[in-house]
Amino acid sequence: NAGVMQNPRHLVRRRGQEARLRCSPMKGHSHVYWYRQLPEEGLKFMVYLQKENIIDESGMPKERFSAEFPKEGPSILRIQQVVRGDSAAYFCASSNSVRDYGYTFGSGTRLTVV
Amino acid sequence: KQEVTQIPAALSVPEGENLVLNCSFTDSAIYNLQWFRQDPGKGLTSLLLIQSSQREQTSGRLNASLDKSSGRSTLYIAASQPGDSATYLCAVRLGGADGLTFGKGTHLIIQP
Repeated sequence: NAGVMQNPRHLVRRRGQEARLRCSPMKGHSHVYWYRQLPEEGLKFMVYLQKENIIDESGMPKERFSAEFPKEGPSILRIQQVVRGDSAAYFCASSNSVRDYGYTFGSGTRLTVV
Repeated sequence: KQEVTQIPAALSVPEGENLVLNCSFTDSAIYNLQWFRQDPGKGLTSLLLIQSSQREQTSGRLNASLDKSSGRSTLYIAASQPGDSATYLCAVRLGGADGLTFGKGTHLIIQP
């Protein structure tokens, strides 16, 4: 069991480009959560997805950010037209059910916008 | 809105000491509380999970307690070692389907 896999580990984008962050949950996990950690800030919840459904996106910025978790393949967090303020560590976590006893986190993707 | 506060923000102690990290939360109607460890540039490692019906959990030299009514949790680390140096994060979950609300963490340094 390889755990929660996130790639890339580091991503550099110029302002205005698109960033695509991928997350493969643990085997058997169908719930995926994305969090953002800004410099000197705590982790903030962004979005909760199950296969093909967005359950809670209350933490997602209203513009430029989107997330999906297709039936096949990893979950994708997409940031369009990136700005310097998007520079952060983005973490994905997975669990096997709503009643699961906690999350397993990936190692994160560190996005730098130059 | 749930807020989680961790005190102290930073702590430096000599190796071998026992220490306590504190976490408080404003909404006591939590589903569970989880303590994590984060090493620099790395992801989060789950240390202990306490369900809302539980008072404490233990794993090796770590013991976490939960007092829901007062909105507090403590993480006790016995006989600290340099390898314990990391940032320790406390997070609460309001509902079964909710995301976690994190504190900003306690940055711990254990001096050899």
